[in-house]
Amino acid sequence: SAVISQKPSRDICQRGTSLTIQCQVDSQVTMMFWYRQQPGQSLTLIATANQGSEATYESGFVIDKFPISRPNLTFSTLTVSNMSPEDSSIYLCSALGLAGPHYNEQFFGPGTRLTVL
Amino acid sequence: AQSVTQLDSQVPVFEEAPVELRCNYSSSVSVYLFWYVQYPNQGLQLLLKYLSGSTLVESINGFEAEFNKSQTSFHLRKPSVHISDTAEYFCAVIAAAGNKLTFGGGTRVLVKP
Repeated sequence: SAVISQKPSRDICQRGTSLTIQCQVDSQVTMMFWYRQQPGQSLTLIATANQGSEATYESGFVIDKFPISRPNLTFSTLTVSNMSPEDSSIYLCSALGLAGPHYNEQFFGPGTRLTVL
Repeated sequence: AQSVTQLDSQVPVFEEAPVELRCNYSSSVSVYLFWYVQYPNQGLQLLLKYLSGSTLVESINGFEAEFNKSQTSFHLRKPSVHISDTAEYFCAVIAAAGNKLTFGGGTRVLVKP
């Protein structure tokens, strides 16, 4: 299985600023994803982080607001830009397992709890 | 595209009583099914999954789920819950040839003493 860490675990930010969240996986994975979980809600996929190329965004999410990088197979960053209180959420990084007992299983990081004032 | 419906947003249950969390999905292709658990202030953990084979799958902590293709359901059950089972439970599906999870709305289980 893959172990995923995220930094920071939580932050309180001012309106109009930006925050970059880091995600590190302890083994090589095929795909990495970023999700948002708004208070009391389920998870919504923001984008698929592609290694060495632009991320693939889901409907309702754009690169200018949520730029994503994935420079290698085990690391990705998500930036929440020009934040507003509506961006207050938990942001989760996820990775897709390779073949074997964890085939097609997604592992999740502990999440970054963001509060925007 | 797939969709997932968890019919109960909250399920209060007494300790040592049974619990069932309902999950129905919609898909035009074959899918894999998952249940994730999120304990308070923690990330998601995989509880169990169905990929193929036996339609009844079990977790190490007493939960089980049964895949019913005709009913397009994957309900989660536990015969006797503990206080520590208090958490939010998410049902999720992924197309067998795909790579994106679709989550249900979640069911919050509150186990009362």
